[in-house]
Amino acid sequence: EAQVTQNPRYLITVTGKKLTVTCSQNMNHEYMSWYRQDPGLGLRQIYYSMNVEVTDKGDVPEGYKVSRKEKRNFPLILESPSPNQTSLYFCASGKAAGVVGELFFGEGSRLTVL
Amino acid sequence: AQSVTQLGSHVSVSEGALVLLRCNYSSSVPPYLFWYVQYPNQGLQLLLKYTTGATLVKGINGFEAEFKKSETSFHLTKPSAHMSDAAEYFCALNTGNQFYFGTGTSLTVIP
Repeated sequence: EAQVTQNPRYLITVTGKKLTVTCSQNMNHEYMSWYRQDPGLGLRQIYYSMNVEVTDKGDVPEGYKVSRKEKRNFPLILESPSPNQTSLYFCASGKAAGVVGELFFGEGSRLTVL
Repeated sequence: AQSVTQLGSHVSVSEGALVLLRCNYSSSVPPYLFWYVQYPNQGLQLLLKYTTGATLVKGINGFEAEFKKSETSFHLTKPSAHMSDAAEYFCALNTGNQFYFGTGTSLTVIP
């Protein structure tokens, strides 16, 4: 089954404790991206990747890091989480960079930073 | 700069009534436009998309949308609402490698 898998789905952590949210897709997609969803703000793009070792900032990259060492994986790293990063995070993938077209979304990871 | 505006954060309709969710966009280049639906505790699913060609696009579950370049709009409609249509709906714009989402419209269907 074609899917985007995120882990963990739910996480409560404390300020400053590094965490990683993993994302994996099994569709051989070139393009992957991360979004955060906040009430009244919709989805905002954090980072995206056009292919292995190629990443770029979206609209809200501050406080986040990403890496793309393999085509299928695109982890989101919070080196020193803060309460304003409490949010619902989505990973998504698309067939090709440049003409991305449809995005396929994971089920989301709800993060709470105390 | 690219942006998407969804008019109305909450829309309520009676079961069987017309559904109309509004989306306007701003883009300096020809955009790809999408409508996604999000059910509680789930990710976003594609309803329909406009890339090029026919401006009236049909999607899943009886939804359709019309791309109107002169009005910079991409409104979502469904002739007859069903209880299962209750969800959050997002309009999105894609130019190159970037996606821009609207703030969402929560649809309530009243029995």
